[in-house]
Amino acid sequence: EDKVVQSPLSLVVHEGDTVTLNCSYEVTNFRSLLWYKQEKKAPTFLFMLTSSGIEKKSGRLSSILDKKELFSILNITATQTGDSAVYLCAVEDDYKLSFGAGTTVTVRA
Amino acid sequence: SAVISQKPSRDICQRGTSLTIQCQVDSQVTMMFWYRQQPGQSLTLIATANQGSEATYESGFVIDKFPISRPNLTFSTLTVSNMSPEDSSIYLCSVEDTGTGLNEQYFGPGTRLTVT
Repeated sequence: EDKVVQSPLSLVVHEGDTVTLNCSYEVTNFRSLLWYKQEKKAPTFLFMLTSSGIEKKSGRLSSILDKKELFSILNITATQTGDSAVYLCAVEDDYKLSFGAGTTVTVRA
Repeated sequence: SAVISQKPSRDICQRGTSLTIQCQVDSQVTMMFWYRQQPGQSLTLIATANQGSEATYESGFVIDKFPISRPNLTFSTLTVSNMSPEDSSIYLCSVEDTGTGLNEQYFGPGTRLTVT
């Protein structure tokens, strides 16, 4: 059975801080790893990672994948209150996504 | 990326009744997925809906409880049948967008269902 573990489960930071979120996985047929931001109902797509060592960046967010050690990290620099959300990591096994429990990030002004 | 809409956005239903949730995509997609997110939990895949074939259900989900239709490449429905309070969840459809060649999965806005 596919397994996706995220850490920490939650954290509270102040505006301007940098946060690092972790995601480790065990899957049978790895195809990709995806990060989503969930604020209300719908997860919003952030990144899709398929190759090790290639950093993906979008503004203050970046992510990288290590397929040898089976983990990924998501970094958020210069955090803002609008970054407060649940960040979900999902691993694609064939075409199906298995999700981690998520990391709840709270950014205080 | 594909634009996905869902109806209804939210509903409050009585136990024993059924609710059908609609998912519409602005482009043709081969694979559509239905997920459930129970309160305080992460997302769990219910089934995969491909046009022209029966939906494929994940362990713990059955067609009698969650019948799915996929009449064309832009539309799907999920019915939650004979509801109980345990069915109170957010239901999300997602699609695999092959337009970029990367096959990312995007989610619809979700349907928040409360069963009383």
